[in-house]
Amino acid sequence: DVKVTQSSRYLVKRTGEKVFLECVQDMDHENMFWYRQDPGLGLRLIYFSYDVKMKEKGDIPEGYSVSREKKERFSLILESASTNQTSMYLCASSPGVTGELFFGEGSRLTVL
Amino acid sequence: SQQGEEDPQALSIQEGENATMNCSYKTSINNLQWYRQNSGRGLVHLILIRSNEREKHSGRLRVTLDTSKKSSSLLITASRAADTASYFCATDKRGGGSQGNLIFGKGTKLSVKP
Repeated sequence: DVKVTQSSRYLVKRTGEKVFLECVQDMDHENMFWYRQDPGLGLRLIYFSYDVKMKEKGDIPEGYSVSREKKERFSLILESASTNQTSMYLCASSPGVTGELFFGEGSRLTVL
Repeated sequence: SQQGEEDPQALSIQEGENATMNCSYKTSINNLQWYRQNSGRGLVHLILIRSNEREKHSGRLRVTLDTSKKSSSLLITASRAADTASYFCATDKRGGGSQGNLIFGKGTKLSVKP
């Protein structure tokens, strides 16, 4: 089975802190994605990557950056967390042929 | 704006009944997908239907696609309490690639009462 693992299920951080959300997939997928999910707004794409060291902005990249140093790992970075970044963050990977996404369990971030 | 919009936003039925959820989208697509999300968990892929297909089945799931109306429906037959979840449709953004860059609707929250 494809497994996408997000490092933390729940995090609580303070405004201004740097936050790292890690995601690892074990199926050698080329494509990896970070979404955030908020009530009433659905899932919104933050960043995605089609290859190692490559990244593309999604619909809401402001306040975020990403890193993909290895094929299996895609990290989301909040340089200076703010309260409006309190959300559920979902990582996903895709083999790229069918477009089907495999999601992790999510990381619920609260910024105080 | 959202590419996919589900309807209804919430649906409550009794166990054994059928549940139908609808999705409308705006632009041309290569395929449309349906996902399920249990409360507080990640999304799980259910089914993918290509733009040249009209209907697809998987177990108790039946998906239809009408590209002329830019709409899709997901039917869950003989529902069970375990089907309680949110259901999302997703389409590829630009209608030209299939690399997994999807736009999701806001979902239908299904509650199946035992």
